[in-house]
Amino acid sequence: EAGVVQSPRYKIIEKKQPVAFWCNPISGHNTLYWYRQNLGQGPELLIRYENEEAVDDSQLPKDRFSAERLKGVDSTLKIQPAELGDSAVYLCASSFDRGNTEAFFGQGTRLTVV
Amino acid sequence: AQTVTQSQPEMSVQEAETVTLSCTYDTSENNYYLFWYKQPPSRQMILVIRQEAYKQQNATENRFSVNFQKAAKSFSLKISDSQLGDTAMYFCAFMKLTSGTYKYIFGTGTRLKVLA
Repeated sequence: EAGVVQSPRYKIIEKKQPVAFWCNPISGHNTLYWYRQNLGQGPELLIRYENEEAVDDSQLPKDRFSAERLKGVDSTLKIQPAELGDSAVYLCASSFDRGNTEAFFGQGTRLTVV
Repeated sequence: AQTVTQSQPEMSVQEAETVTLSCTYDTSENNYYLFWYKQPPSRQMILVIRQEAYKQQNATENRFSVNFQKAAKSFSLKISDSQLGDTAMYFCAFMKLTSGTYKYIFGTGTRLKVLA
């Protein structure tokens, strides 16, 4: 069974440019998470979906970040415009449903903003 | 708010030896879960072990075991018979029920190096 798939694995962009990350969760997983991991830190939640509904986006900087999960399957996280401080690894994770505590993570996208 | 603290930024251990990674957390919740995740250079977070707060018995998974002290809010990970493949970042994580689902709060990690 395929795990959580993320693309691209690496992205280098200039500041003020837009960027998008894609995530395909494990088949049948209803809960999807986007985390940001700064260098030397643990991951921090940006947004959590239950199917297509964003149930927790309190940590998402809504002035420049947006996310969608159409049809409750794969998801896209976008930054527009990117800032130097957005350089980080963006991790996607999924779990079967609410009440299932184990989340499976993708390999992340390392974003470098120059 | 919940916090998770890992006070050891880096540790090293000789192959086949035992090492213990520390984690403390702060919460007013009574029901929660605690986890140790491993993050190798590939960046993919892999679940190592999980502990339910209502269980007094410490969780064990092969060479990995935890020492869960609920009153002290301590959750350490012991790795026995360390292997070169155990070299990775290790993150302690706390999870409580939030709005009908679960939200991880991670510590800052401990970089473990297993020496040949």
